[in-house]
Amino acid sequence: DVKVTQSSRYLVKRTGEKVFLECVQDMDHENMFWYRQDPGLGLRLIYFSYDVKMKEKGDIPEGYSVSREKKERFSLILESASTNQTSMYLCATGGREADTQYFGPGTRLTVL
Amino acid sequence: AQTVTQSQPEMSVQEAETVTLSCTYDTSESDYYLFWYKQPPSRQMILVIRQEAYKQQNATENRFSVNFQKAAKSFSLKISDSQLGDAAMYFCAYRRAYYKLTFGKGTLLTVNP
Repeated sequence: DVKVTQSSRYLVKRTGEKVFLECVQDMDHENMFWYRQDPGLGLRLIYFSYDVKMKEKGDIPEGYSVSREKKERFSLILESASTNQTSMYLCATGGREADTQYFGPGTRLTVL
Repeated sequence: AQTVTQSQPEMSVQEAETVTLSCTYDTSESDYYLFWYKQPPSRQMILVIRQEAYKQQNATENRFSVNFQKAAKSFSLKISDSQLGDAAMYFCAYRRAYYKLTFGKGTLLTVNP
């Protein structure tokens, strides 16, 4: 079974803090994704990576950056957290064909 | 830009009955994939079913089946013999270039005992 883990289920941070969300997968998948999920808006793609050190912007990259130094790990970085970044963050992975994406349990981030 | 529309924010069904969730999408491409994902309360998102656009036959997975109408750009999910464990948020998704998915806003399904 594919296993996708995220570093925290719940996280509370203060405005202006630098925040790291980590995602680790054990399936040797090339593709990794970060989404944010908000009520009434569904899932929106922030960034994705199709290989180590490679990244591409998704639909809402503003205020976020990512890092992929190893194939199994994909980090989402909020350089200076703001209250409008309070959300559920979901990591997903997919193989080269990427027909199916496998999701982590999510991190619910609250920025005060 | 591709969009995915789920017109039913909430649906409810009696246990053992059948329910259909609607999804329409907009694309100019001819080859693509469509998916239904399920997100139970406080649990991980999982794939329910997928459909390749080049296949005319509707996909089926046990009690879950789709009605794929390519010309109408419609992709509905039918759940037969509904069970309490089917209660979840259901998302329709379209796979576009570079493996990116575009999701609908979701339909919250309640199953009544």
